[in-house]
Amino acid sequence: DAGVTQSPTHLIKTRGQQVTLRCSPKSGHDTVSWYQQALGQGPQFIFQYYEEEERQRGNFPDRFSGHQFPNYSSELNVNALLLGDSALYLCASTWGEAEAFFGQGTRLTVV
Amino acid sequence: AQSVTQPDIHITVSEGASLELRCNYSYGATPYLFWYVQSPGQGLQLLLKYFSGDTLVQGIKGFEAEFKRSQSSFNLRKPSVHWSDAAEYFCAVGRLGGYNKLIFGAGTRLAVHP
Repeated sequence: DAGVTQSPTHLIKTRGQQVTLRCSPKSGHDTVSWYQQALGQGPQFIFQYYEEEERQRGNFPDRFSGHQFPNYSSELNVNALLLGDSALYLCASTWGEAEAFFGQGTRLTVV
Repeated sequence: AQSVTQPDIHITVSEGASLELRCNYSYGATPYLFWYVQSPGQGLQLLLKYFSGDTLVQGIKGFEAEFKRSQSSFNLRKPSVHWSDAAEYFCAVGRLGGYNKLIFGAGTRLAVHP
């Protein structure tokens, strides 16, 4: 079992650009959540996808959007990047009432 | 408001010493509580969880935590720390099933002296 996999592991973008991060959930999991972890902070919930729909959303602007595919994988898109978007982006997957499993994260640096 | 407070930003202990990391939460419903560990540049690994029942829960790597409803606390303990335990530890509260977002504390960074 590969667990939750995220790609890429690192990337550098320029202010104003757009970025797409990808997540493949753990086998058997159908729900994907995304978290942003700024340096020195705990993860903050961005949104959750289930059955290809955004089911719940945290306090993030509309520049943050996502998608879930029929195979349960997910993408996080961020438009008009700001320096403050620099962070570790974590994907977590779950199924039913099981606990969440996290991926290794994507480190985004905005310059 | 739902929140998690980890009062200690940094803790340093000697190898072999005991450890207690504090966690206090505010949550409107019955809480499901978690402790995760994060090594540098890595994702989060679940150490243990509390859903219901026995308030003392055992986790991986020799960790345990005690849920105290009256104090809204869920402190993490380990009787003897190993150098490999150096990492950042996060307490989280949430629900399971649908809408199961987690609310995390700011974390406690643990350093272990030989």
